[in-house]
Amino acid sequence: KAGVTQTPRYLIKTRGQQVTLSCSPISGHRSVSWYQQTPGQGLQFLFEYFSETQRNKGNFPGRFSGRQFSNSRSEMNVSTLELGDSALYLCASFALGGNEQFFGPGTRLTVL
Amino acid sequence: GIQVEQSPPDLILQEGANSTLRCNFSDSVNNLQWFHQNPWGQLINLFYIPSGTKQNGRLSATTVATERYSLLYISSSQTTDSGVYFCAVGAGGFKTIFGAGTRLFVKA
Repeated sequence: KAGVTQTPRYLIKTRGQQVTLSCSPISGHRSVSWYQQTPGQGLQFLFEYFSETQRNKGNFPGRFSGRQFSNSRSEMNVSTLELGDSALYLCASFALGGNEQFFGPGTRLTVL
Repeated sequence: GIQVEQSPPDLILQEGANSTLRCNFSDSVNNLQWFHQNPWGQLINLFYIPSGTKQNGRLSATTVATERYSLLYISSSQTTDSGVYFCAVGAGGFKTIFGAGTRLFVKA
């Protein structure tokens, strides 16, 4: 069974631009979570989606948003990029009724 | 919210040595996972262990939920064990809190 996939793997943007990252969960998994990892703040929870509904959100500004499609694929969007948004963005999925999360390889975003 | 503390923050071992990594959490949790992050950033599942003890080869883990801690044991360490080890707990409401990690370096 294929794992969690994320695209693109690397991205370079400039301040003020916006970016969209994509995550495809493991087949059959309907829940997707997003995390931001930076050297200073560590791994922080962004949001979690199940059946196209956001069930929880971390403490991030409104510039960070996400959505989930009917096929469980998820996207996150960051608008008006700031230098501090440079990070590794990780996506995880888990099965209905399960609590074990499986992570994708991440998207490394650099904001110049 | 739940606080997760990992210790030690850094660990240097000689190849072949054993080690114990600790994860303390401040409140009841409904799930707990250990991950190894490789140099490319990939988080690799080691254990899903909300309670009890599990073993997988040279690695084993124990969670004592009533005392709010979990331990990860690495025996006969190898250079490929190097990386960062994270403990992550489920805080309810489908939100996961990660510890700051233990950075392990195994010398040949």
